[in-house]
Amino acid sequence: EEQLVESGGGLVKPGGSLRLSCEVSGFPFSYYSMHWVRQTPGKGLEWVSLITSGSRNTYYAVSLRGRFTISRDDAKNSLSLQMNSLSADDTAVYYCVRDQGDPSRSFDLWGQGTMVTVSS
Amino acid sequence: QSVLTQPPSASGTPGQRVTISCSGSSSNIGSDAVNWYQQFPGTAPKLLIYGNHQRPSGVPARFSGSKSGTSASLAISGLQSEDEAVYYCAAWDDSLNGPVFGGGTQLTVL
Repeated sequence: EEQLVESGGGLVKPGGSLRLSCEVSGFPFSYYSMHWVRQTPGKGLEWVSLITSGSRNTYYAVSLRGRFTISRDDAKNSLSLQMNSLSADDTAVYYCVRDQGDPSRSFDLWGQGTMVTVSS
Repeated sequence: QSVLTQPPSASGTPGQRVTISCSGSSSNIGSDAVNWYQQFPGTAPKLLIYGNHQRPSGVPARFSGSKSGTSASLAISGLQSEDEAVYYCAAWDDSLNGPVFGGGTQLTVL
């Protein structure tokens, strides 16, 4: 079964850091581009970051202002998101998402999400 | 505020046909294909329509998508109670170099 399982979420103080992980199984991870997408009750779904296959390219939402870093370890079938200088605006459920690879860059597989809460 | 504009709510009775609109601009819907996602409470979104009108395996044919210019629509025919969910449109934005989403439409089956 194709599966994405996120971990690493939790409560962190403003200004703090957190590292999210996504364990992949059931499909050839190295072939796919992967994304992180977050969701808040107030702002809905928001794309966070993209890493292409082979880690050739990485892209980030402009609003993140260089605070997040996406990475992947194809040998370990793992995707990560390092988040620094966190603020209340970063409070959200973070999803690990697979890019189907079609021209529309649709997201055909989602993890269950991991909650990140930034609060003092 | 979301980059793509959707009505916050829509409703219909069982068996009816309902459409949900999604409005964007030349840098997203106007130049790239639209995808639609369905989300039930407490669960992750699920891909419903991709490439404007294509259905992934397992999605019933009563779900259809279309696009014209800088707008897109999701149509659900033969509405069923289990279709009650939030529906999101999305499209790649060439100016932002990433995908953008609509704010979501809560569909209620009366």
